[in-house]
Amino acid sequence: GAVVSQHPSWVICKSGTSVKIECRSLDFQATTMFWYRQFPKQSLMLMATSNEGSKATYEQGVEKDKFLINHASLTLSTLTVTSAHPEDSSFYICSARASLDTQYFGPGTRLTVL
Amino acid sequence: TQLLEQSPQFLSIQEGENLTVYCNSSSVFSSLQWYRQEPGEGPVLLVTVVTGGEVKKLKRLTFQFGDARKDSSLHITAAQPGDTGLYLCAGVTRGAQKLVFGQGTRLTINP
Repeated sequence: GAVVSQHPSWVICKSGTSVKIECRSLDFQATTMFWYRQFPKQSLMLMATSNEGSKATYEQGVEKDKFLINHASLTLSTLTVTSAHPEDSSFYICSARASLDTQYFGPGTRLTVL
Repeated sequence: TQLLEQSPQFLSIQEGENLTVYCNSSSVFSSLQWYRQEPGEGPVLLVTVVTGGEVKKLKRLTFQFGDARKDSSLHITAAQPGDTGLYLCAGVTRGAQKLVFGQGTRLTINP
């Protein structure tokens, strides 16, 4: 299957700092990427839909000013967690849409905010 | 809001036993997918079912999509320790083409 990478795979930061997570589709172009958050022992929750060249669409309850998404190219979307707090600690997973009903998921980024 | 109810959420059985995981919704999905996720990794797609009543087999795994495209099941025959993991169903919404995930089933197969 297609490959989606995420960087970094894990990050530890201090409360109040910002963290940027990259999501790349390595062997296909993706006009649409998705960002999910997964808390321990829970399922994936969609945070936002990232559209190349336009603003992201956020799910209800997700603060767009806190979770900044940029999809500047057909192979790269970034998620920046601004002014991170311990409650933002989670496993963040991106996916890239290859076709109407096919998404390929990245390996995830574990964020720990101290 | 479209929701997918997955059950059971936890299942621990002995090697060789059979099991079924269910995924139910009151909403109709254009297709439904099953994923498996290992700890610390992203989900990996196992199958996509599109047509109501469709049955797909992947070795010892059998996936079924309900006639009304609101529910699905995953049946594993003669479970093995290597089947241990988190199984997630996800419905593809019409129009928006977003994935709606069920709560997941954490499966443990004991040797």
